[in-house]
Amino acid sequence: DTGVSQNPRHKITKRGQNVTFRCDPISEHNRLYWYRQTLGQGPEFLTYFQNEAQLEKSRLLSDRFSAERPKGSFSTLEIQRTEQGDSAMYLCASGTYNEQFFGPGTRLTVL
Amino acid sequence: GDSVTQMEGPVTLSEEAFLTINCTYTATGYPSLFWYVQYPGEGLQLLLKATKADDKGSNKGFEATYRKETTSFHLEKGSVQVSDSAVYFCALSGPGGGNKLTFGTGTQLKVEL
Repeated sequence: DTGVSQNPRHKITKRGQNVTFRCDPISEHNRLYWYRQTLGQGPEFLTYFQNEAQLEKSRLLSDRFSAERPKGSFSTLEIQRTEQGDSAMYLCASGTYNEQFFGPGTRLTVL
Repeated sequence: GDSVTQMEGPVTLSEEAFLTINCTYTATGYPSLFWYVQYPGEGLQLLLKATKADDKGSNKGFEATYRKETTSFHLEKGSVQVSDSAVYFCALSGPGGGNKLTFGTGTQLKVEL
């Protein structure tokens, strides 16, 4: 399968803990995006990379959130000191100029 | 800023009925427009796209035409099937900004026999 993969698929954590998610994009794609989707809503943009450079971050991305793409391949999204409001589906997408392909998402539940 | 407005669901249709899901947008410049579909338990899939005014995107019997004068990109299908039951998202990407997507809230479609 050469699609976008995300791990883990589900994460349950307690408030105040740190969590990290991984995204493996389609290999030939130099752009990688993170979005967050809450129940009944469309995905909201968080941040994007072109190769290893993080070029834009949404105002939604508080300082507890950090994303990296160290070698321009896979990416990680870390949330520090999780809050119940962070409970959501975190989606990764990779793409070329005008098309994005989404992974299955990581569902985060903060208790 | 950019925004997308979709008709609220759920939309419930009988099999073989005609489908329209309305989508309008607000954007600066000339965005590209997309419809994504999310089947139960699956990730978002690109259904179709249009990159300039008057373009028609089509796939799997679905169509949408980029109407700049009405800032709309309505999704249509002539005859829906039970397997089309899913949530449909309209989205745009503006020029610049890495082509990030701005999504509508989604419209759930239920097709019954």
